[in-house]
Amino acid sequence: DTAVSQTPKYLVTQMGNDKSIKCEQNLGHDTMYWYKQDSKKFLKIMFSYNNKELIINETVPNRFSPKSPDKAHLNLHINSLELGDSAVYFCASSPGQGITGNTIYFGEGSWLTVV
Amino acid sequence: SQKIEQNSEALNIQEGKTATLTCNYTNYSPAYLQWYRQDPGRGPVFLLLIRENEKEKRKERLKVTFDTTLKQSLFHITASQPADSATYLCALPGSSNTGKLIFGQGTTLQVKP
Repeated sequence: DTAVSQTPKYLVTQMGNDKSIKCEQNLGHDTMYWYKQDSKKFLKIMFSYNNKELIINETVPNRFSPKSPDKAHLNLHINSLELGDSAVYFCASSPGQGITGNTIYFGEGSWLTVV
Repeated sequence: SQKIEQNSEALNIQEGKTATLTCNYTNYSPAYLQWYRQDPGRGPVFLLLIRENEKEKRKERLKVTFDTTLKQSLFHITASQPADSATYLCALPGSSNTGKLIFGQGTTLQVKP
């Protein structure tokens, strides 16, 4: 019944490794997002997709690559992990692009720790 | 550039009192503003949306105001309860018409019994 589910919830990995976080939403929404929340609690958008099309791509290192196989899934792959990538990554979705004001539904977060 | 400011200091109040949280923004005029609640270890949950032509919006014990002249939104919780303890985030759309939301840092509310 979880609306936006992401896995894994916790991930501890070594510098230089490659890892993926998967996300699925069962709300029938057209738009999905990846947000990053750092240790100071700032929540910043990284990417958004609308019907599998990339809409927002913030200034994020090329090591981060989102992939949307269909509009219900948006995965995040991170190459060559660095210590500074340690954060909580939230997947989210909304009915549309939110231009006129849509509610965003967040997943529970994936805690990434790079050691 | 767009900037959102919320009081980073925690707000501690007694149960039953009204909690008031502030969100100030600069350098743009958003068409709407949203408030979210975030509990420790959880994702943010949407609470309220208020549009630029609305002065006030209510939902149960929650009330949000939006003053486009002052560039400020106030978020009130009346008759606060310990269960209201959480971090509250305000969010505004980015200036580009992409649906991007910019979040404030959040204010942590602690309601003591």
